[in-house]
Amino acid sequence: DAGVIQSPRHEVTEMGQEVTLRCKPISGHNSLFWYRQTMMRGLELLIYFNNNVPIDDSGMPEDRFSAKMPNASFSTLKIQPSEPRDSAVYFCATERGAGANVLTFGAGSRLTVL
Amino acid sequence: GEDVEQSLFLSVREGDSSVINCTYTDSSSTYLYWYKQEPGAGLQLLTYIFSNMDMKQDQRLTVLLNKKDKHLSLRIADTQTGDSAIYFCAESIFSGGYNKLIFGAGTRLAVHP
Repeated sequence: DAGVIQSPRHEVTEMGQEVTLRCKPISGHNSLFWYRQTMMRGLELLIYFNNNVPIDDSGMPEDRFSAKMPNASFSTLKIQPSEPRDSAVYFCATERGAGANVLTFGAGSRLTVL
Repeated sequence: GEDVEQSLFLSVREGDSSVINCTYTDSSSTYLYWYKQEPGAGLQLLTYIFSNMDMKQDQRLTVLLNKKDKHLSLRIADTQTGDSAIYFCAESIFSGGYNKLIFGAGTRLAVHP
């Protein structure tokens, strides 16, 4: 089991560019979460999918952020246009079933927007 | 409201015990969790405790839960340099139709010789 796989691990881009972060969940895990981690705000839940359906997107900061889960083995988080304040580490986490909150996190994607 | 609070830093000598404390606000939380984050990595579940338990022990880790005071602690016995990491306390709350994890800000544990 390769765990939760995120790409890219690091991304440096310029303000205004589009950023796409990718996540491959563990096979059989049907709950998927996107988190953002910053020094100032800690860990923030951005969006939660269950069985590929977005259940809670109340944490998505604004319309510049969007997330999709077209199938059980792939999810994307897109920022368009990116801004310096989006610089953070973005984590994808998955769980088998729903409710126990026993999450497996990916290694994260560190985004720097200049 | 939903809030989990923990101290930001703890420094201990190798071989001593570490105690990381946390307070939470939602008395209906079914489970409480400790996650560990090593540098450059994602969070990893260390242990969790069901809300009707007072204590849970797992090798060098002891979790104590005081439901009345909404206080959770993690004790690491014989702390090693490999225990240096950020430790996150989290509570599970039912919100928006599902069980949602609320994380604290994390306690950075530094272990020195």
